[in-house]
Amino acid sequence: DAGVIQSPRHEVTEMGQEVTLRCKPISGHDYLFWYRQTMMRGLELLIYFNNNVPIDDSGMPEDRFSAKMPNASFSTLKIQPSEPRDSAVYFCASTSGGAYGYTFGSGTRLTVV
Amino acid sequence: QQQVKQSPQSLIVQKGGISIINCAYENTAFDYFPWYQQFPGKGPALLIAIRPDVSEKKEGRFTISFNKSAKQFSLHIMDSQPGDSATYFCAAGANNLFFGTGTRLTVIP
Repeated sequence: DAGVIQSPRHEVTEMGQEVTLRCKPISGHDYLFWYRQTMMRGLELLIYFNNNVPIDDSGMPEDRFSAKMPNASFSTLKIQPSEPRDSAVYFCASTSGGAYGYTFGSGTRLTVV
Repeated sequence: QQQVKQSPQSLIVQKGGISIINCAYENTAFDYFPWYQQFPGKGPALLIAIRPDVSEKKEGRFTISFNKSAKQFSLHIMDSQPGDSATYFCAAGANNLFFGTGTRLTVIP
């Protein structure tokens, strides 16, 4: 298995633009998590899905952030409009057992200028 | 509100020494306590994990010690090597994981 695949690896965008981050979980995993990593706040859970259904989105910072999982093999995290304070590394992780045995992707480094 | 508190923020250890990183949690419903290792430019990777029904788990040079009554757990790296230099995160949870803020470990040759 190729692991959790995230794209793009790096994204630089101007403030106000829409940004879409993509994630392909490991086949057979039924949980998918989106985390944001910054120096100040560490790894923060944004949202997670179970069987493609959003379970907890309480970590989504504000309405500018949205996430979807249209099928078991694909998820997106969208920021519209983007702001400089959204600059961070965004990780996707998947697992077949809730908290147990997360596998993380390599992350997307987002820079909003 | 930080669900998991981790210390120290950074740690420098001589090669062959013991590295110790500590974590504390608040929620008694948590039933899974993993440690993750992260190298620059990579995602965190699972290193070792423990459930609350045991007080210690050892895998090679890595040991987790768990104190349920104190709601604390720690990672011990024996015979630390330069290749262990990385950022280590503790985590805790049940349906999802809450992470500590990380410890940057540097092992000096």
